[in-house]
Amino acid sequence: DTEVTQTPKHLVMGMTNKKSLKCEQHMGHRAMYWYKQKAKKPPELMFVYSYEKLSINESVPSRFSPECPNSSLLNLHLHALQPEDSALYLCASSQDGSGVTYNEQFFGPGTRLTVL
Amino acid sequence: AQSVAQPEDQVNVAEGNPLTVKCTYSVSGNPYLFWYVQYPNRGLQFLLKYITGDNLVKGSYGFEAEFNKSQTSFHLKKPSALVSDSALYFCAVRAITGGGNKLTFGTGTQLKVEL
Repeated sequence: DTEVTQTPKHLVMGMTNKKSLKCEQHMGHRAMYWYKQKAKKPPELMFVYSYEKLSINESVPSRFSPECPNSSLLNLHLHALQPEDSALYLCASSQDGSGVTYNEQFFGPGTRLTVL
Repeated sequence: AQSVAQPEDQVNVAEGNPLTVKCTYSVSGNPYLFWYVQYPNRGLQFLLKYITGDNLVKGSYGFEAEFNKSQTSFHLKKPSALVSDSALYFCAVRAITGGGNKLTFGTGTQLKVEL
């Protein structure tokens, strides 16, 4: 299995809702990432998990809460989002999370989030 | 700080013609460079990377990239473009951090291949 899966594909939520995005990989990768991408723009890194521990938080607002239950799963919990948070949320994984290797990242198809 | 620049927002090319998508980089130390492609409403797909060694890197779908240290460039090329190559292309550089394998992306170049 050489892919990263993300669910749901689409999500519409109100500003008071709580929802979660899910990401899964079965490639044995030890680093996992969340990105936010606006239309026609490059992905913006949000969080990095390395060996199931949060290693990078790019000053993301606390209404986004990541969780890595095990080495194959990554969640992003959403609460009290704003309309400007509407975007494509991409998950990625790479083989080695140590920061000293140069492995490419494999991306999932993304979750299209709309906040009303 | 590590960064890459993609000077062209859009590149138009006729099918069958060679294509080039430009990328220049600015890094301290050795550059680790990547190309990704994104089709509409999809995630990014890895095309190729330069870590060390041969300056001509071959990747997926017939793409290749030439690393040029003196010009600090890493241009993506393909000898004969296909309409199906039309997509958004991102150059990226690995940023040095103790926290993990972090990529910094360029602004992207929209490639349009016409019949």
